[in-house]
Amino acid sequence: AQSVSQHNHHVILSEAASLELGCNYSYGGTVNLFWYVQYPGQHLQLLLKYFSGDPLVKGIKGFEAEFIKSKFSFNLRKPSVQWSDTAEYFCAVNVGNSGAGSYQLTFGKGTKLSVIP
Amino acid sequence: DAMVIQNPRYQVTQFGKPVTLSCSQTLNHNVMYWYQQKSSQAPKLLFHYYDKDFNNEADTPDNFQSRRPNTSFCFLDIRSPGLGDAAMYLCATSRRGVGEAFFGQGTRLTVV
Repeated sequence: AQSVSQHNHHVILSEAASLELGCNYSYGGTVNLFWYVQYPGQHLQLLLKYFSGDPLVKGIKGFEAEFIKSKFSFNLRKPSVQWSDTAEYFCAVNVGNSGAGSYQLTFGKGTKLSVIP
Repeated sequence: DAMVIQNPRYQVTQFGKPVTLSCSQTLNHNVMYWYQQKSSQAPKLLFHYYDKDFNNEADTPDNFQSRRPNTSFCFLDIRSPGLGDAAMYLCATSRRGVGEAFFGQGTRLTVV
């Protein structure tokens, strides 16, 4: 079974600082990769996803992530964070070709990001 | 605009008293999921429906059951809630062939 690990439980940054949140997964086959964000009091929302193609994917609100297959990693980055980025960030994986029948998302434990104005 | 709606947002139930959480969707997605999320832990899949086909995760306790009477609605039934079942319960949907899941706001269950 696949697993996902997120390296940081809580990250505290000042506004305008750069962000990188680590995510590693364990699975040897084809994977689909996701980053979800949960703002305080709100539901999980998709930030970005990778299915195939260019390993550098851009998402909403200036976020991007890079899939490095050799490192089993899918780290999330943002060059300059804002106070409004304060939220919890979850990396998630599902296996197999997109929509080919594997419907389970496996999540990491999440990273809380606090941005100080 | 809400696409996946969970009711209620907060539910308090007594130890051992059956409780039902509900989820509805306006996306017409084939797949509906129920996840359990405890504090500081990753969301954990309990089961999912692909259309009417029910798929239970191997480690989901028998205490948890689900019903999907039609495409739009899905229910989570907890037959005899224990203190350890207190958690946030997340409903999600996805369309076959996409893989991306859309989540509701969750129901926070408290067991007293």
